[in-house]
Amino acid sequence: EAQVTQNPRYLITVTGKKLTVTCSQNMNHEYMSWYRQDPGLGLRQIYYSMNVEVTDKGDVPEGYKVSRKEKRNFPLILESPSPNQTSLYFCASTIDRNNSPLHFGNGTRLTVT
Amino acid sequence: GQQVMQIPQYQHVQEGEDFTTYCNSSTTLSNIQWYKQRPGGHPVFLIQLVKSGEVKKQKRLTFQFGEAKKNSSLHITATQTTDVGTYFCAGYNYGQNFVFGPGTRLSVLP
Repeated sequence: EAQVTQNPRYLITVTGKKLTVTCSQNMNHEYMSWYRQDPGLGLRQIYYSMNVEVTDKGDVPEGYKVSRKEKRNFPLILESPSPNQTSLYFCASTIDRNNSPLHFGNGTRLTVT
Repeated sequence: GQQVMQIPQYQHVQEGEDFTTYCNSSTTLSNIQWYKQRPGGHPVFLIQLVKSGEVKKQKRLTFQFGEAKKNSSLHITATQTTDVGTYFCAGYNYGQNFVFGPGTRLSVLP
C-alpha cells in the first residue's frame, strides 16, 4: 500500500532533550516536506527536499534540522526542543511538486514541557 | 512572500444546508489544490485547479478557480455529517512551494 509513515504518533518530552521524528515513503517520490500545524495558522512548511542530499528551508525552519540521505526517508530533528515547538507535525511527499497531490503521513503530536 | 487567506475560519451548519469556503491569494497562482482533514486525521487531497475560471465538481462538492487565478472557492451542497472537517486550500507558484491557507473548520449538526 502506497503510504507515508511517520513515527512516533505521540511524543512528550522535556525542554532541551534531542529528538527525531522519522518519515518514510514507499512511492519513490523525489519531493518530501515537513509541516507543523497550529490552531488558526494552518500548515506551515518547516523544511523540504527536492531529492537525495538536497534540502531547503521552508517558512519556519528555526529550531529544526532535516536530512535526506536516502530517497525514502526524511527525518525531522529537534536538537534542543522548546515549548514553542509543541505542535502537530506532518510529513508529506509528492512525485512532482509542480502539479501533483501531496501525500501526508498520519502526523506526530509533540508536546515539549 | 505569498500569503493565502481563507474565510470563514469556522462554519456551523445544519445538516442539509449548503456551505462555502473562500480562498484568496496575495499573488497570482499557477494552480491551487484543496485538501480535507477529518478530526484527528491528516490532510487528504481533494482536487487541483489549474485554468483560469475553471470549475470542477465531485458529487456534492463544486470547486472554482477565479478568472485572475488569485482566488478559489469550495461549495458543498446539502451538507452531511460526513463532511465534517477542516478544508484547506494550497496555492502554488511555479518553482516555489505550496502555501496553505489557515483552513475552514466545518461542523455539521444532525
